[in-house]
Amino acid sequence: DVKVTQSSRYLVKRTGEKVFLECVQDMDHENMFWYRQDPGLGLRLIYFSYDVKMKEKGDIPEGYSVSREKKERFSLILESASTNQTSMYLCASSSHGTGVYEQYFGPGTRLTVT
Amino acid sequence: GNSVTQMEGPVTLSEEAFLTINCTYTATGYPSLFWYVQYPGEGLQLLLKATKADDKGSNKGFEATYRKETTSFHLEKGSVQVSDSAVYFCALSDRGSTLGRLYFGRGTQLTVWP
Repeated sequence: DVKVTQSSRYLVKRTGEKVFLECVQDMDHENMFWYRQDPGLGLRLIYFSYDVKMKEKGDIPEGYSVSREKKERFSLILESASTNQTSMYLCASSSHGTGVYEQYFGPGTRLTVT
Repeated sequence: GNSVTQMEGPVTLSEEAFLTINCTYTATGYPSLFWYVQYPGEGLQLLLKATKADDKGSNKGFEATYRKETTSFHLEKGSVQVSDSAVYFCALSDRGSTLGRLYFGRGTQLTVWP
């Protein structure tokens, strides 16, 4: 079974702090994704990566950056956390192989910025 | 471009009722179609998928048929249970793209009462 893990289930940070959210997958997937989920807005794509050191902006990249130094790990960075970044953050991965691109999700990190 | 529209919730049903959640899509290529489910406090899980026109995806009593002529992928279940209470997301991937991005609907909250 594909497993996607996220470093924390719950996180509380202060405004202005630098925040790192880590995601690791164990199925050698090429693609990895970061979403945020907010009530009434569904899932919104922040950034994704299709290879090591490669990244693409999603729909809402402002205020975020990412890092992919190893194939299995994809980090989301909030350079200076703000209260409007309080949200549920979901990581996912998928494989190029079949061309179907079904994504496998981690359990999510609920981030609160105070 | 690519987009997914699904019926807004919340949907409230009694146990053993019939469920339909409508999903229509717009795609530039030849999409694969998915239904994901999110139980409270968890990440998204793949519920079912279909990769070409007229395919029927099925899992756990849920079904959806890929209808190219109506650009639809409606989710159905003949008899819902309390344990089906969750948020359901319809999604598509463009198989003509190598980036593996999924496009999600906003989600439909389902509550089943005993």
